[in-house]
Amino acid sequence: SQQGEEDPQALSIQEGENATMNCSYKTSINNLQWYRQNSGRGLVHLILIRSNEREKHSGRLRVTLDTSKKSSSLLITASRAADTASYFCATDPRAGGTSYGKLTFGQGTILTVHP
Amino acid sequence: NAGVTQTPKFQVLKTGQSMTLQCAQDMNHEYMSWYRQDPGMGLRLIHYSVGAGITDQGEVPNGYNVSRSTTEDFPLRLLSAAPSQTSVYFCASRPTSRYEQYFGPGTRLTVT
Repeated sequence: SQQGEEDPQALSIQEGENATMNCSYKTSINNLQWYRQNSGRGLVHLILIRSNEREKHSGRLRVTLDTSKKSSSLLITASRAADTASYFCATDPRAGGTSYGKLTFGQGTILTVHP
Repeated sequence: NAGVTQTPKFQVLKTGQSMTLQCAQDMNHEYMSWYRQDPGMGLRLIHYSVGAGITDQGEVPNGYNVSRSTTEDFPLRLLSAAPSQTSVYFCASRPTSRYEQYFGPGTRLTVT
C-alpha cells in the first residue's frame, strides 16, 4: 500500500506563480524526500528533510515537515515552464535507527506550468 | 560516471515467458533497489539489496527474483511473465552514507 498520499493530484499554474504540493504519510519516518519525474524519464532527487527538521530550503524549493500531523509540503517559488513534471514524496522508514533505503512513494502530483 | 544504467529500454513479452532486466551502477553504491511504476501511481518497491550477496523482499515481490553477486549489478528476473507485470521498472542505488537514491532511466515492459 502507498505510505504517502499527495494532493493535489494535478496542479496547473502560470509561469512566475508559486506551486505547493502536500504529502501525508502513516508511519514513523527517518526522513522524507521529494523527487521529480519528467515525462518518460527516471526520478531525480530534489530535497530531503530529516525527521528532526521542520523546514529546509534549496534554491527555489522549500519543504516543511510536521511529524505530529505526519505531513509535508513542497513549495516551488517563481515557477518556470521547465518545472513541468510529476512530483513525488517518498518516506524512508525508521527501522531501529537504520535506513535501508526502502522508500515508500506517494502517487504524485502532476504540475503543469504554462508559459 | 554513467550513473545507473538499465537495459533494455523497452520489452514486449508473451504471457509465460521469462526474462531478466539488467541494472548496473558505477558509483560503488552498496544499496540497490527495484521499483515498478503503474499508471497514475507512485513507485512500489519490489526487491532491494544492502550489499553483494544480500537481498530482501519489498512490497510487491511475487513473480520476481533477484540476486546480487557484485556491487555493480542487480538484475531482476521475471520467472513467468503475466499481464499484471506490465509496468515501467526502475532500478535505483544509494551509498550507505547518504539517503537520496539515484534512479536509472527505466525499462518499459509490456506483457501480452
